[in-house]
Amino acid sequence: AQRVTQPEKLLSVFKGAPVELKCNYSYSGSPELFWYVQYSRQRLQLLLRHISRESIKGFTADLNKGETSFHLKKPFAQEEDSAMYYCACGSYNQGGKLIFGQGTELSVKP
Amino acid sequence: DGGITQSPKYLFRKEGQNVTLSCEQNLNHDAMYWYRQDPGQGLRLIYYSQIVNDFQKGDIAEGYSVSREKKESFPLTVTSAQKNPTAFYLCASNTGGSPLHFGNGTRLTVT
Repeated sequence: AQRVTQPEKLLSVFKGAPVELKCNYSYSGSPELFWYVQYSRQRLQLLLRHISRESIKGFTADLNKGETSFHLKKPFAQEEDSAMYYCACGSYNQGGKLIFGQGTELSVKP
Repeated sequence: DGGITQSPKYLFRKEGQNVTLSCEQNLNHDAMYWYRQDPGQGLRLIYYSQIVNDFQKGDIAEGYSVSREKKESFPLTVTSAQKNPTAFYLCASNTGGSPLHFGNGTRLTVT
């Protein structure tokens, strides 16, 4: 079955601490992996995708095909990083639709 | 200003009534999607459409219906057959392998 799992519902860290949001996936074929973010009162928006291999707002994510993981990392969390984060996977051979994880709420405390 | 517009932002209905949620995009995207967002369950795909006059069921299509008569519009009807209709509904679109672009959502409350 195709599935995305984010094991942590809530992750709370202090400002300046490293943060890692976990994501594991189960998908047949060669999926694309994404991280989407939803800040308070804003629409869900793309944070980064694995094929871009870029860092956005200090966040990076490496696709590990052996462990089927796509964890999101940032070395020094900021208060403005507080938001809901969703991991998603999909394939354009599957019509472009994405399967989303349950989401992790990141809370960065001062 | 290009984007996806969902209306209304909040919708209240009595149990047993059908209700239609609007989604319009001016991004010239080919594909459109409806997701349902529930706390602790993430986003689940209801229906999607890759071209006009064609659509496919997602993972939780029961109790919902859609139409795609125009490229810009993909309305979702929540029927009385949907057992737990109270939720936050998100519309999205994309084209040619681009990432999904989301609307602001509609919060439906059925009492």
